[in-house]
Amino acid sequence: AQSVTQLGSHVSVSEGALVLLRCNYSSSVPPYLFWYVQYPNQGLQLLLKYTSAATLVKGINGFEAEFKKSETSFHLTKPSAHMSDAAEYFCAVSDFQGAQKLVFGQGTRLTINP
Amino acid sequence: GAGVSQSPSNKVTEKGKDVELRCDPISGHTALYWYRQSLGQGLEFLIYFQGNSAPDKSGLPSDRFSAERTGGSVSTLTIQRTQQEDSAVYLCASSLGLGGGYEQYFGPGTRLTVT
Repeated sequence: AQSVTQLGSHVSVSEGALVLLRCNYSSSVPPYLFWYVQYPNQGLQLLLKYTSAATLVKGINGFEAEFKKSETSFHLTKPSAHMSDAAEYFCAVSDFQGAQKLVFGQGTRLTINP
Repeated sequence: GAGVSQSPSNKVTEKGKDVELRCDPISGHTALYWYRQSLGQGLEFLIYFQGNSAPDKSGLPSDRFSAERTGGSVSTLTIQRTQQEDSAVYLCASSLGLGGGYEQYFGPGTRLTVT
């Protein structure tokens, strides 16, 4: 069974500082990995996805993530935080050849301090 | 183009009543998914459709939950005899196909409150 662990349910950074949101996954087969963002009272929006091509994946809004098989990690980073980045972030994994139902982590709420 | 839409956006119902939640996927998307988001359980997969068939119903929490999809488009999630633990945000997503890393596009959700 696949699973995702997000370390830190709440992360707070200052505007302009580095954002690092941690995600570790468990999968018996090569995974697809995703990061989604959820703004208040909205649905989920895809930030980026890893599908076995380049291990460093660039997404929208300046975010990127690096797939590290040896560490089973897919951490999300952004060099300089902006106030508009405040939201909840979800890491998810799906089957490589399955129905692609997503298994989500518990989420990390990102707060940006002015 | 239009995204995934869900209705109603909010639903308050009394314990024991039945509710129907609707999802309109993006036109041309053959796959449709239902997820539930609650404080205690996070985001959970409920069911998915490929066309009108539902090969995987493993995530449905109980036999009070059912879903159907007609015409390869609109889907309805029905909860019978609602319980307070059913209170959650129900999210629908659609994608062009299954597998291959197809992106799932999410709707805004239906917030269900059972009193």
